[in-house]
Amino acid sequence: DADVTQTPRNRITKTGKRIMLECSQTKGHDRMYWYRQDPGLGLRLIYYSFDVKDINKGEISDGYSVSRQAQAKFSLSLESAIPNQTALYFCATSDPMGSGNQPQHFGDGTRLSIL
Amino acid sequence: GIQVEQSPPDLILQEGANSTLRCNFSDSVNNLQWFHQNPWGQLINLFYIPSGTKQNGRLSATTVATERYSLLYISSSQTTDSGVYFCAVAYNNNDMRFGAGTRLTVKP
Repeated sequence: DADVTQTPRNRITKTGKRIMLECSQTKGHDRMYWYRQDPGLGLRLIYYSFDVKDINKGEISDGYSVSRQAQAKFSLSLESAIPNQTALYFCATSDPMGSGNQPQHFGDGTRLSIL
Repeated sequence: GIQVEQSPPDLILQEGANSTLRCNFSDSVNNLQWFHQNPWGQLINLFYIPSGTKQNGRLSATTVATERYSLLYISSSQTTDSGVYFCAVAYNNNDMRFGAGTRLTVKP
């Protein structure tokens, strides 16, 4: 979805480095999510946020932290990167209007390699 | 959490053939989406279909929520349909769970 922008698109770094992946959206959605995808697998939820004061752990939050700087921005940090965090990372947004069951819209992904 | 199983894991078709992909899930959901992941890794949103039937060109999808499954139909397949198809489900968007995907290869 062109309205969900992830930066950088690709990143190669070394073990132990601090990494920040950024996500911004122009959809006006309150809810934002970070997922990771490992080769041959589906996506798994790392963290999610329902508004700027709300942060929730997902299925695989260990080794990651997030910051919701504004409604439109949600960043994911790896404080000390390790090789098994090499993966494709996706940001997503959704709108909680109505019954709350609205589709999620995904960015194009960030391919992260940790050497 | 909700478990999601997709079948088949791999599918090879000749161009022009039809196919059906299946997604089973273990609990009640009110969000179900089908995605196509292209060779560049982008996730293309195909359908948002927590229940009922939808069609979009050669693709259609049906979800029977009471029986906890969804089907994605691809008719007259084209080489550009190749990629991985994911089903993802959630209850109130709290924790969206993805299946492992069906890898589709369409041969010319």
